[in-house]
Order: sequence, then C-alpha cells, then structure tokens
Amino acid sequence: SQTIHQWPATLVQPVGSPLSLECTVEGTSNPNLYWYRQAAGRGLQLLFYSVGIGQISSEVPQNLSASRPQDRQFILSSKKLLLSDSGFYLCAWRPGFTEAFFGQGTRLTVV
Amino acid sequence: AQSVTQLGSHVSVSEGALVLLRCNYSSSVPPYLFWYVQYPNQGLQLLLKYTSAATLVKGINGFEAEFKKSETSFHLTKPSAHMSDAAEYFCAVSDRWQGAQKLVFGQGTRLTINP
Repeated sequence: SQTIHQWPATLVQPVGSPLSLECTVEGTSNPNLYWYRQAAGRGLQLLFYSVGIGQISSEVPQNLSASRPQDRQFILSSKKLLLSDSGFYLCAWRPGFTEAFFGQGTRLTVV
Repeated sequence: AQSVTQLGSHVSVSEGALVLLRCNYSSSVPPYLFWYVQYPNQGLQLLLKYTSAATLVKGINGFEAEFKKSETSFHLTKPSAHMSDAAEYFCAVSDRWQGAQKLVFGQGTRLTINP
C-alpha cells in the first residue's frame, strides 16, 4: 500500500534562517505531488505542484521554492524565512487526477 | 480557473441534528469534487468524492453529498450529528482535463457539535 511521509512534525526557526521540508511517497510511481500551506483562518493554500521529476508549478509568488529531485521526493525550501511563513505545511500526492492523500503536516513557527 | 466557495466558516449544530455544509464550485466543465475532514494538527482525510458516476455520493462516517450541476453545488450532509464529527471540513475541486493537475481547496468550515 502507498504511504506518505512528511517531516519534521514541528519546527521552530528564527527569521532569516533557511528551511527545508521533505516529503516522500512509498508504494507508487510517478505520483502528482503537492505542497499546501494552512495559515490560521485562511484555509488550504496551494503553493506548488509537480507532475514529474524536475517539473514544478508555482501557484503563489513568495519566499518559498520547491524541488523534485527524485520521482517520489518533494522538497519545500526557503533561503530566508519570514514571520509570515509560519503555518501548517501539508504535502499530498495523487495517483492521477482524482483524490489526494495527505501527510500528517509540519507545524512551522518562525520567531 | 477552478475555485470553490464554502459558505460559512463556522457551523454549529446540536448532537443528533442535521449537518449541512455548503460548497459551490466554479469550473467551465463538470469537475471532480471532494470533501475532506481535518482533525486538529493532522492531515486531511477524504470523506467522499464525485467523479461523474452517481450524483448522490455516500462517504465515510455517514456523510453524503449531492452534485447539482444547475446550482454548481456539492453540499455535504449528515442526518444526525455526533460529537465525533467536530472538525474542520474542506471542499476541493479539480478540473477533468485542462488544468487537472491542480487541486484547489475552499477556505474550510469548522463544525462544532453542541451536546
């Protein structure tokens, strides 16, 4: 069966520090991969999605970037964190274009 | 581009009462539609999905939703609320063809169950 791993679960980082969140999927190949951010009272915002290795679509111009170095690995990065980057980050995968399956999320607090 | 609007950021019902969470979508063609539930500090769990079979879709935990093309709606209902239904609920939409890679969520509705 397929599983999705997202880590770390919580992270506290100072303003201006770099960020790297990793997401991996097991038990499937060539999944569609997604990064979402959930800020308090703002729903789920689509940040990036990827339909293949090296193929990244950005939805919101911001202080973040994403990469897909391997088929089942999706990384969210920032060179310098801002206070506004705080939130709950969720990785998801889709086997095609039906439902998505989510990781457990990373709670990022920028201080 | 596809989008969803969830009417009501907070809904409160009594235990045993009907639950109705509203979702309207915007899409040029009938899309794929989904309802998810999220418990505190957890990921999202799929409740049900519409992918062009029956317009009345049954999901887990007694929830169901009806796709109404004329109203561009996909409202979520449950006949009798249970305390364990307290959570945040998200409606999501994905186009079938062009732009199908994108999965867009609504703002969410927080459901509170009163004893």
